[in-house]
Amino acid sequence: GNSVTQMEGPVTLSEEAFLTINCTYTATGYPSLFWYVQYPGEGLQLLLKATKADDKGSNKGFEATYRKETTSFHLEKGSVQVSDSAVYFCALSGNSGNTPLVFGKGTRLSVIA
Amino acid sequence: DGGITQSPKYLFRKEGQNVTLSCEQNLNHDAMYWYRQDPGQGLRLIYYSQIVNDFQKGDIAEGYSVSREKKESFPLTVTSAQKNPTAFYLCASSPEAETNYGYTFGSGTRLTVV
Repeated sequence: GNSVTQMEGPVTLSEEAFLTINCTYTATGYPSLFWYVQYPGEGLQLLLKATKADDKGSNKGFEATYRKETTSFHLEKGSVQVSDSAVYFCALSGNSGNTPLVFGKGTRLSVIA
Repeated sequence: DGGITQSPKYLFRKEGQNVTLSCEQNLNHDAMYWYRQDPGQGLRLIYYSQIVNDFQKGDIAEGYSVSREKKESFPLTVTSAQKNPTAFYLCASSPEAETNYGYTFGSGTRLTVV
């Protein structure tokens, strides 16, 4: 079945550092890909998405490109802030509306001033 | 504003008791989902429902039950058969058949067995 693998955390960065969180997937067909963010004690919020190969999703300075050839959807940000400290989840949709999203295990990011 | 409301935010359960977690949405979404989150394990799917009066088991349904009598509501009951219920529970919704849309999540309920 479909699956998502994320790099293990925690990731600790200094403010203004470059961020990469790796995400690779296994799927049949042409899934949509998502990044969600979870702040402490809260639910998940959709950060960005891409629905077909070579699409780039972007939001709040974060971006990720749907790479079918490498089955990857790595999350990047050029300059992180303390407020970006959170847990980030990569997720994968199925090929039809009847298939729930599959989530990675999450990567905790801590940004220090 | 449209959204998903989970209640209560914190819930304490004695061993052997059933408890029910509430999830209500006013987004007019057809599909609703329950996930369990444990430290280091990500999100695991408990149950989901694509339409009123129908639902399917997810990966860890044992010890849980759900109902979907109304489009807006998808309550989760944690029964006494669930041996390790302490966790953070998240409810989500999405428009059916809109796999490109993703999910909208509630703010979660933290359940603790005392």
